[in-house]
Amino acid sequence: NAGVTQTPKFRVLKTGQSMTLLCAQDMNHEYMYWYRQDPGMGLRLIHYSVGEGTTAKGEVPDGYNVSRLKKQNFLLGLESAAPSQTSVYFCASSPGQSKSLAKNIQYFGAGTRLSVL
Amino acid sequence: DQQVKQNSPSLSVQEGRISILNCDYTNSMFDYFLWYKKYPAEGPTFLISISSIKDKNEDGRFTVFLNKSAKHLSLHIVPSQPGDSAVYFCAAFRGNQFYFGTGTSLTVIP
Repeated sequence: NAGVTQTPKFRVLKTGQSMTLLCAQDMNHEYMYWYRQDPGMGLRLIHYSVGEGTTAKGEVPDGYNVSRLKKQNFLLGLESAAPSQTSVYFCASSPGQSKSLAKNIQYFGAGTRLSVL
Repeated sequence: DQQVKQNSPSLSVQEGRISILNCDYTNSMFDYFLWYKKYPAEGPTFLISISSIKDKNEDGRFTVFLNKSAKHLSLHIVPSQPGDSAVYFCAAFRGNQFYFGTGTSLTVIP
């Protein structure tokens, strides 16, 4: 049971290059999220999706785009990478919004470490 | 502006003693709160949660306390074990979003 899988695990980009981070979950979860983690900043939400074909902005969306064409996949794109986007990126999924607390617990991938030179 | 704060970046505790990790929040409208545990090179994993209408939730060695008037929650680990050494994130949920603290690195000394 893979859970949430992120690819790639590591990547080095030059300023201005583009790339796509892939997140795949096999738990049939409705909600998916992209976070970035920076020293002293905790986890900050970039974008999220509440279902296939939907996306919404989080706390720090600038410079990123996302797509959720299939329920199990959530893609994070950087069109023109900048050094400020050097970070560790985490994808997460959850069953969906509900009054049941258990349905809103997030499951995280292992992260993608991105360096932009 | 950080809505969830963990003011202690690190904590060291002797094995067998109690570990107390603290978290403060600013938004009284959060629906519930969670603690996640993170080992190096891994993603965070869910540990324990508490609804905003409760003041305590217990799961084995882990207990979370919520003080709504002070907008403060704490995680107690008793007894602490070396395998508990990790970074602990506090998180709060409202609407479709989770808000995370900056984390506290716990070291349990054998």
